[in-house]
Amino acid sequence: SQQGEEDPQALSIQEGENATMNCSYKTSINNLQWYRQNSGRGLVHLILIRSNEREKHSGRLRVTLDTSKKSSSLLITASRAADTASYFCATSVQAGTALIFGKGTTLSVSS
Amino acid sequence: DTAVSQTPKYLVTQMGNDKSIKCEQNLGHDTMYWYKQDSKKFLKIMFSYNNKELIINETVPNRFSPKSPDKAHLNLHINSLELGDSAVYFCASSQGGGGVQPQHFGDGTRLSIL
Repeated sequence: SQQGEEDPQALSIQEGENATMNCSYKTSINNLQWYRQNSGRGLVHLILIRSNEREKHSGRLRVTLDTSKKSSSLLITASRAADTASYFCATSVQAGTALIFGKGTTLSVSS
Repeated sequence: DTAVSQTPKYLVTQMGNDKSIKCEQNLGHDTMYWYKQDSKKFLKIMFSYNNKELIINETVPNRFSPKSPDKAHLNLHINSLELGDSAVYFCASSQGGGGVQPQHFGDGTRLSIL
């Protein structure tokens, strides 16, 4: 069964603006990961945040995790046209079980 | 120096045929996966192998049979292909299984059943 749900399903912004995507999940997790998928390509890992962490940064990416609300957000600052892609959250319930992906948010950044 | 490579990239075939997809990773990882991504981009785990041993086998028709000759290779054989098998199949690898580490994906095999 699907664990994560991204919101919004689609997001269109201008270059230079910030993009925020949200992920909600249903059960307790071991960690939550964000991936990017460019059109016609495989998924690329962006950030992994563990259940005891609240925030992580990587370059222009900022991920937050609120385990009490069972939600996470991915913020991309100063977006570029090259950020155009689908973004997926994936949750790990416990070690040894499968990573479960959400349906993704499609981000379009226009110049 | 591609980390996770899949072949072929495209596969177009008739219903009822048998086909195989190959995957190789040069990252030294001990765990490999097969995922299926449908037309709505929903990605679902099919199988996971750790050091050649099957550890995750989701509800997948037994027409799908994975084989791992060594920990760097994980192939997927599909018998009696059906229209519903049309999808993109992704191979991935990680060091340690079960979602505790980032996974590295290949670029996918686009399977189209005529």
